[in-house]
Order: sequence, then C-alpha cells, then structure tokens
Amino acid sequence: KQEVTQIPAALSVPEGENLVLNCSFTDSAIYNLQWFRQDPGKGLTSLLLIQSSQREQTSGRLNASLDKSSGRSTLYIAASQPGDSATYLCAVTRGSQGNLIFGKGTKLSVKP
Amino acid sequence: DGGITQSPKYLFRKEGQNVTLSCEQNLNHDAMYWYRQDPGQGLRLIYYSQIVNDFQKGDIAEGYSVSREKKESFPLTVTSAQKNPTAFYLCASSIEQGIQETQYFGPGTRLLVL
Repeated sequence: KQEVTQIPAALSVPEGENLVLNCSFTDSAIYNLQWFRQDPGKGLTSLLLIQSSQREQTSGRLNASLDKSSGRSTLYIAASQPGDSATYLCAVTRGSQGNLIFGKGTKLSVKP
Repeated sequence: DGGITQSPKYLFRKEGQNVTLSCEQNLNHDAMYWYRQDPGQGLRLIYYSQIVNDFQKGDIAEGYSVSREKKESFPLTVTSAQKNPTAFYLCASSIEQGIQETQYFGPGTRLLVL
C-alpha cells in the first residue's frame, strides 16, 4: 500500500531564507508526483507536476525534484517571502486512473 | 471566469440528517473528485467520476453517496450512516482521468455537527 510522508510537519524560517521541503513515498511505481499549496481554510492550488520520467520541474522561485528509485521528492523554495506561508502538500498518482495519494503536509511560516 | 465552486462554505448537520454538498465546474472537465480532509491529515478520496452517469468509490466511501447527472455537477450527500462527518470537504476536477493531468480544486465546504 502506497504511503506518502512529509517531513517536517511544520517549519518556521526568516524571510529571505532558501528552504527545502521533503516528501517520501513507499512504492516507487508512481506515474507522477505533484506539489500543492493550501492556504488556511482554502482549497488546493497546484504548484508543480513532475512526470515519472522527469527529474525536476521549475516554476519561478520553486524547484521540485524527483528520485523515483529512492522514493523521494524535494520542493526547494528560493528567497522565501511571508506570502509563501501556507501548507504544502505532496501527492503521488496511484495507478492508471490518476487518483492521488496525499501526504499530511508541511506547514510553512515565513517571518518578516 | 472558469473554475470550481462549492457551496455552502459552512454546513451544519443535525443527528440523523442527510446533507448535500454542492460542487459545480465550468472548466468542461470530464473527471470530478470528492476528498475529505481532517485536521493535520492529508486528503482522502471519497468518490470519483470519470464521465457523466458513472462514478466509483474511493478509499472512504462508506456513509457517502454521489450522483453525476450533468458534466458540470457532482454533488456529495453525507448520510446519517456517516458517524463522524465533521471535516473539510474538497471537490476537484481534471480534464480527464489520467496520469498526465493535474487536478483543480474548489474552495471547500466545512461540515460541522450540531
């Protein structure tokens, strides 16, 4: 059974710092991996989607990497800003139907 | 202005009552999904639908029911059989159900039990 783990559960950093969020999964037979952002009491916003054949994806200050063989992904946020404060969720795609399995998230707080 | 809408934002349920959560999308997406989120937990899949008049159970379907009579609508009913319904419910859609597509989420409905 696929399990997705995110470490740390919470992270607090000063503004301007570069940071890394971690995601691990137990079954390397995934189709893709996605990172989402969730603001308090809101829905999810897709940040990056990495196909299983890819090693990384970049969007602005965000860079996500994928190592299928070791069952790991990292989300790198450069020059963090207070507006980056949110919960970041990692999800892997289960099977050919595309259903997602989510981790519990990392709650990020960026202090001014 | 395309997107997914969920209503109401907050919903209160009394003991033994069925309640229905609305989800509408104008993105012309074929696939739609319902997730439940509990505090400090990841999302868990309740039901999903690949196409009109078809839907499948997810990981935690017991106590819930859905319908998909129109492409743009996928309402979720929380029945009295669901003994612990208090949670944040999220609806999502994707162009089609497949491994290449990302899912787009609505703003959520918070269900509370009186």
